[in-house]
Amino acid sequence: DAGITQSPRHKVTETGTPVTLRCHQTENHRYMYWYRQDPGHGLRLIHYSYGVKDTDKGEVSDGYSVSRSKTEDFLLTLESATSSQTSVYFCAISDKRTATNEKLFFGSGTQLSVL
Amino acid sequence: TQLLEQSPQFLSIQEGENLTVYCNSSSVFSSLQWYRQEPGEGPVLLVTVVTGGEVKKLKRLTFQFGDARKDSSLHITAAQPGDTGLYLCAGAPPGSNTGKLIFGQGTTLQVKP
Repeated sequence: DAGITQSPRHKVTETGTPVTLRCHQTENHRYMYWYRQDPGHGLRLIHYSYGVKDTDKGEVSDGYSVSRSKTEDFLLTLESATSSQTSVYFCAISDKRTATNEKLFFGSGTQLSVL
Repeated sequence: TQLLEQSPQFLSIQEGENLTVYCNSSSVFSSLQWYRQEPGEGPVLLVTVVTGGEVKKLKRLTFQFGDARKDSSLHITAAQPGDTGLYLCAGAPPGSNTGKLIFGQGTTLQVKP
């Protein structure tokens, strides 16, 4: 199994509070991604990173920010959590630049509930 | 916006039956992947198909990429309870970089003993 650790695994928070989710990898892979998974929507890309301090927005980035100060850590922050951000969040890593023969490895996810 | 539609969304069958899951789009993809996800875990890559018409086999699982690279199918022969899980297809839009995949909504498969 790829060395990807997401923390926390479960979190309950209140509307309006800031929340930070952490993804830690031991594979030294260059590319890291944050997805959210909701029933009926599959997985949707929030933000991604191609390297230290190199990040960009994905499909559903509103309300989220990210930071990558080290190769191994990718942080996802909800500045002011809303109930619509209740979801399961997955971190993924890859060492490939192109889609051909791509291998995307996912963490075990963080279940976030915003009350 | 490119979309991938999976069908059926839910499937409950008896052990030993065959089944096919479909992943369809009106858009072309440069590659198509299939993942399997178990409860409480992240998706795990099963296969990547790249060439139109390509067929790949993984034990009892057969994956096919449509000739026009707009659709794909996953066929399971003689399903077993261990095949139970959520199956996701994911497409890479032409020219996209790593990880910027479009995911289908998933097919939940339950195989009863």
